[in-house]
Amino acid sequence: EAGVAQSPRYKIIEKRQSVAFWCNPISGHATLYWYQQILGQGPKLLIQFQNNGVVDDSQLPKDRFSAERLKGVDSTLKIQPAKLEDSAVYLCASRNIAGGSYEQYFGPGTRLTVT
Amino acid sequence: AQSVSQHNHHVILSEAASLELGCNYSYGGTVNLFWYVQYPGQHLQLLLKYFSGDPLVKGIKGFEAEFIKSKFSFNLRKPSVQWSDTAEYFCAVKKNTGFQKLVFGTGTRLLVSP
Repeated sequence: EAGVAQSPRYKIIEKRQSVAFWCNPISGHATLYWYQQILGQGPKLLIQFQNNGVVDDSQLPKDRFSAERLKGVDSTLKIQPAKLEDSAVYLCASRNIAGGSYEQYFGPGTRLTVT
Repeated sequence: AQSVSQHNHHVILSEAASLELGCNYSYGGTVNLFWYVQYPGQHLQLLLKYFSGDPLVKGIKGFEAEFIKSKFSFNLRKPSVQWSDTAEYFCAVKKNTGFQKLVFGTGTRLLVSP
């Protein structure tokens, strides 16, 4: 079974520029999550999708961050414009809600550096 | 708001030493508890989880964790660590109601010297 795919793996941008990250979850996983992990901290949930609907985006800075999952499969997370404090690893995870398992499968992450 | 505390940020052990990593959470209701591990250069992966039943949970690679409800704790243990256990360990908690999010602790970086 293929894992969660993310691209790019690394990105360096200047502040005020825009950036987009892509995630392809495990096939058949209806739930998709985007997390932000700042150095020295644990992952923090930004947004959760169930199929193509948003379940929780309470911690997403909506003035600059946006995310979509139009066909209920792939997802993109965008930052526009980026700030220095957005430097972090952005993790995508997916979960198969069937069977009641709560295990989330994580991708390798995208390391963003904002200069 | 829900929070998760991991008191040890860095732990250094020699091989064969015993390990205990602390995790406390601040939510009084029913919770689901998890330990995730991230080996160097690899993805976060689930080590073990507690949903209900026996509070002593066995995970992969000889790890176990004990849920003590009265102490709001879910400490991770391993009787004898190996060099390959060098990794970062994250405790996470989820309220057991609806679409509640997973809240992670800050992580403990474990270094096992051979």
